[in-house]
Amino acid sequence: DAKTTQPPSMDCAEGRAANLPCNHSTISGNEYVYWYRQIHSQGPQYIIHGLKNNETNEMASLIITEDRKSSTLILPHATLRDTAVYYCIVSNLYGNNRLAFGKGNQVVVIP
Amino acid sequence: DAGVTQSPTHLIKTRGQHVTLRCSPISGHKSVSWYQQVLGQGPQFIFQYYEKEERGRGNFPDRFSARQFPNYSSELNVNALLLGDSALYLCASSLVRPGNTGELFFGEGSRLTVL
Repeated sequence: DAKTTQPPSMDCAEGRAANLPCNHSTISGNEYVYWYRQIHSQGPQYIIHGLKNNETNEMASLIITEDRKSSTLILPHATLRDTAVYYCIVSNLYGNNRLAFGKGNQVVVIP
Repeated sequence: DAGVTQSPTHLIKTRGQHVTLRCSPISGHKSVSWYQQVLGQGPQFIFQYYEKEERGRGNFPDRFSARQFPNYSSELNVNALLLGDSALYLCASSLVRPGNTGELFFGEGSRLTVL
């Protein structure tokens, strides 16, 4: 079962930052937070992952709270192509390839 | 560079039949995983293979089986198909070995419809 809680859906404005929340209150010390997204009719796409430090790459930033019970994925400048289902997943070191996806957050970027 | 390729992209079967789905990982990737995605749900883990050995299995019946070949490609087999097996079957490959972190690269999937 998924160990994360995300809103089922949210809208965000094109060109603005999109902040996607995720709760993972039962996360263990050796579990990472992964984010993937799935654009309609495509396979999931990796976005970013982290353990406890904030992470940034060319796609997004990941902010993890100090107690690691929640995190936020930030898309700095949302575009229409960012419309997708976003999955927040927690997985331990040995579960790298076996990710427990939940239902995700359907994000719609509005012009 | 070619990504993860899966075949066939779409297929229709009838109940009781057998199906074989194929996956070619990204060149150099030795780890392959299979996921089932039913409409409206997130992907569910079925199998993980690394270096031709099964490294993990999800909560699926024995009708589901898989194998990985010396060239690291993989097949997923499902016997005695049920209506509930209708889903998108996703293959993912990874450069990292089990026990290390890294990203999974997913294919576009094989959409199976069971009538």
